[in-house]
Amino acid sequence: DTAVSQTPKYLVTQMGNDKSIKCEQNLGHDTMYWYKQDSKKFLKIMFSYNNKELIINETVPNRFSPKSPDKAHLNLHINSLELGDSAVYFCASSQDKSIAGGPDEQYFGPGTRLTVT
Amino acid sequence: SQQGEEDPQALSIQEGENATMNCSYKTSINNLQWYRQNSGRGLVHLILIRSNEREKHSGRLRVTLDTSKKSSSLLITASRAADTASYFCATDIMEYGNKLVFGAGTILRVKS
Repeated sequence: DTAVSQTPKYLVTQMGNDKSIKCEQNLGHDTMYWYKQDSKKFLKIMFSYNNKELIINETVPNRFSPKSPDKAHLNLHINSLELGDSAVYFCASSQDKSIAGGPDEQYFGPGTRLTVT
Repeated sequence: SQQGEEDPQALSIQEGENATMNCSYKTSINNLQWYRQNSGRGLVHLILIRSNEREKHSGRLRVTLDTSKKSSSLLITASRAADTASYFCATDIMEYGNKLVFGAGTILRVKS
């Protein structure tokens, strides 16, 4: 059973197109995240949702819009794709704060490699 | 700005040797986490160490945390070829709750 799943695994598209990446977790976690990993493997958080409510929104272009229909799903929609959007996008989930405070361990999906041509 | 920075950037060792990776960070933290990423895969959580802990073990992994120096180390003992991966430390920023900030990672290659 896959804990955090993402579809598609690969996405090749042209500049200007609109695309979506879907994420689902079956761990019963309260919080879900989207990260972007660039070609140098640097991982940066984009968004975080807790119980369908947006709690972290980094300085991401508003062409990126997350949507959480329920606690188990967090989708990422990207409008007007640009070359610089090419990267690997990871979805992750976690329980709420750990006992001592601070973030709990996060469970990552397998990633979606987006290539914009 | 980047919170955690790993050192070295890349490490190549023989199977059976120990591998040590270091992480430094800038601000006060609640906890520090280490993750592994195999090529083409998602990150896998290894260990979480809280700010009031100094050392933690999990199998062949040993993590230390020195909050006075704002640094942590990950030791993998008796390394195996399967340990070949990128290793990332991640810290929270106390003022920003659940947000995890990842370092750039150490690429570990274990030669058999």
